[in-house]
Amino acid sequence: KNEVEQSPQNLTAQEGEFITINCSYSVGISALHWLQQHPGGGIVSLFMLSSGKKKHGRLIATINIQEKHSSLHITASHPRDSAVYICAALQIKAAGNKLTFGGGTRVLVKP
Amino acid sequence: GAGVSQSPSNKVTEKGKDVELRCDPISGHTALYWYRQSLGQGLEFLIYFQGNSAPDKSGLPSDRFSAERTGGSVSTLTIQRTQQEDSAVYLCASSYRGLGNEQFFGPGTRLTVL
Repeated sequence: KNEVEQSPQNLTAQEGEFITINCSYSVGISALHWLQQHPGGGIVSLFMLSSGKKKHGRLIATINIQEKHSSLHITASHPRDSAVYICAALQIKAAGNKLTFGGGTRVLVKP
Repeated sequence: GAGVSQSPSNKVTEKGKDVELRCDPISGHTALYWYRQSLGQGLEFLIYFQGNSAPDKSGLPSDRFSAERTGGSVSTLTIQRTQQEDSAVYLCASSYRGLGNEQFFGPGTRLTVL
């Protein structure tokens, strides 16, 4: 079992729909990172969070440390939101730091 | 403003050759990261530099891989005796401080080993 699991692997939505992407992890973490990879390959950092909720525009990220689970929500989705969304669990330890990536969720928003 | 830049954007090499990939981080960013993304695979952490501290090399897949960061700025990832399984996109990122801070990614170098 991977340490970081994302679901779903693929998601198709109609423009305007509310989208939720889930990320579950099995290790203790210092923070969780959400990334967006555009079809051309460029990667953008969306959120880094260690507790609670963060919001930026139409994007909302939440994390529940006790349940080892984070969600990324896209409200009023738009075709330009089509991308692969990746979560990464950050472990900062004296023995060495580790950043473990989920497999990504491919999102397609149709007009 | 200048973002993270990487060169070359594409590199084709023959099996067994050495390659060097370059990353120019955002000026003032103390942390620099190298990642690898193989075709159809997820991102894989390779190495992390933070300031003048010894780099965290825990993600390097073999001793054929090494990286340097000179003067706390430019970094070079070197792959010796390349193998076909090294074919991937190699991504560099930097952040103002260390792990736990927002990372800014470069466009990547696509390496193809024939």
